[in-house]
Amino acid sequence: QVQLVVSGGGLVKPGGSLRLSCETSGFTFTDYFMGWIRQAPGKGLEWVAYISATTNVFYHADSVQGRFTISRDSATNSLYLQMNSLRVEDTAVYYCARDRGRYSFFDFWGQGVLVTVSS
Amino acid sequence: QMTQSPSSLSASLGDRVTITCRASQGISDYLAWYQQKPGKAPKLLIYEASTLHSGVPSRFSGSGSGTDFTLTISSLQPEDVATYYCHRYNTAPPFTFGGGTKVEI
Repeated sequence: QVQLVVSGGGLVKPGGSLRLSCETSGFTFTDYFMGWIRQAPGKGLEWVAYISATTNVFYHADSVQGRFTISRDSATNSLYLQMNSLRVEDTAVYYCARDRGRYSFFDFWGQGVLVTVSS
Repeated sequence: QMTQSPSSLSASLGDRVTITCRASQGISDYLAWYQQKPGKAPKLLIYEASTLHSGVPSRFSGSGSGTDFTLTISSLQPEDVATYYCHRYNTAPPFTFGGGTKVEI
């Protein structure tokens, strides 16, 4: 069955860096667009980043543009989110999710990891 | 922009519950609904405005097209306590989610 397992969260000081990983299984990773979505404590869902199946197209939300980078590795069937220059407002649970098609809905989600940015 | 209403509701077991999502412009039927239980990741409920995702109970249904959409729970069950989000798709990012509707018993 489709599985997405997120890791790499934790506590980091403002200005610090963190790399999230999303290990996938149960489907052909290279056939699917993938995304990162976050949820600040007590808030709604906010899209963060998105990458095409072949890695040649990617998007980042304005709020993270220039600080976060989405990437993927077909050798390990993994999705990544490199987060630099972290701010207090980046504190959130981060989810990876599989796009059912292209610019479509997210049909499977990882369990999420908490990233806390605090001094 | 996707506007959901109400932001929260309280209903009794067995009640019919309706949640509304309004798009700022016409989006045909490119709308999905997700359910997020407390402390858990969101799960896909409905896509193409009215198609149930695999394994979703038939008490859930979706309707609408263009700008106005509805998620209905025909008979509220204890396991339906969750926050529900709509999501407009079929367009390049940024992706937009509704603000969420918290359903309580």
